Amino acid sequence: EPEVTQTPSHQVTQMGQEVILRCVPISNHLYFYWYRQILGQKVEFLVSFYNNEISEKSEIFDDQFSVERPDGSNFTLKIRSTKLEDSAMYFCASRTSWPKETQYFGPGTRLLVL
Amino acid sequence: GENVEQHPSTLSVQEGDSAVIKCTYSDSASNYFPWYKQELGKRPQLIIDIRSNVGEKKDQRIAVTLNKTAKHFSLHITETQPEDSAVYFCAATNSGYALNFGKGTSLLVTP
Repeated sequence: EPEVTQTPSHQVTQMGQEVILRCVPISNHLYFYWYRQILGQKVEFLVSFYNNEISEKSEIFDDQFSVERPDGSNFTLKIRSTKLEDSAMYFCASRTSWPKETQYFGPGTRLLVL
Repeated sequence: GENVEQHPSTLSVQEGDSAVIKCTYSDSASNYFPWYKQELGKRPQLIIDIRSNVGEKKDQRIAVTLNKTAKHFSLHITETQPEDSAVYFCAATNSGYALNFGKGTSLLVTP
C-alpha cells in the first residue's frame, strides 16, 4: 500500500538557522498538507496546498514558513529562521480528490531547535 | 474557526471492556469527522471516519456515532485489547479543508 514518506526523520538545528523538511506524497494525490505536533499536544494545521498554490493556512504559518512543490513528487516546508518554539514533530499529509476525504499522514520529522 | 473538544484526556479500561471517547465541534459547516490512532512516536493513522449524512458507522470492534443537532460524535471500541492502547484523536472539517483536531485521549488497556 502506498505511503507518504518524509525526510529527515530527525533534525537538530541552531536557532536562527533555516531548515527544509521534505515529503513525498502518495503519487496520485492532489492535496497536500503540513501539520505540526508539539510534544504531548494535539496535531495543529499549518498549511494546505493544491494546484501549485496555498489553499489555506493557519495563524501559525507566518512569513517564516514557506511551502513548495519543486517537482512532480516532492513537497517541502521551509522554516527560514528557526525559533526554539518551532521544536515539534512535523507531519506531511496528502489526499486524493473529492469525494475521498481521507488524509494520509507521513511518519513525521522531529525538529529540535537549540 | 472550528473548535473541537475531546473527552476524556485519559482513559484506562480492563481488557475486554468497552471504551468510549466523545468529541464536540463548533462549526455547523463541518461535515467530515475522522478518528486517528497514534502510537508512541508514530504517525496518526485513520481508524474510522463518518460523514454528516450518516448517523453511525461500524467496522468490526470500532464504531462512530454522530449527532449533528448536538454537534457531537463519539468513538466506541468494544472488546478492547492491549494493542488498542494508544492516543486517539478526533477531528472535524468541512470537506477538503484542514483537519481540526481534538486534544487527544490516551487509552490504556490493561490485561
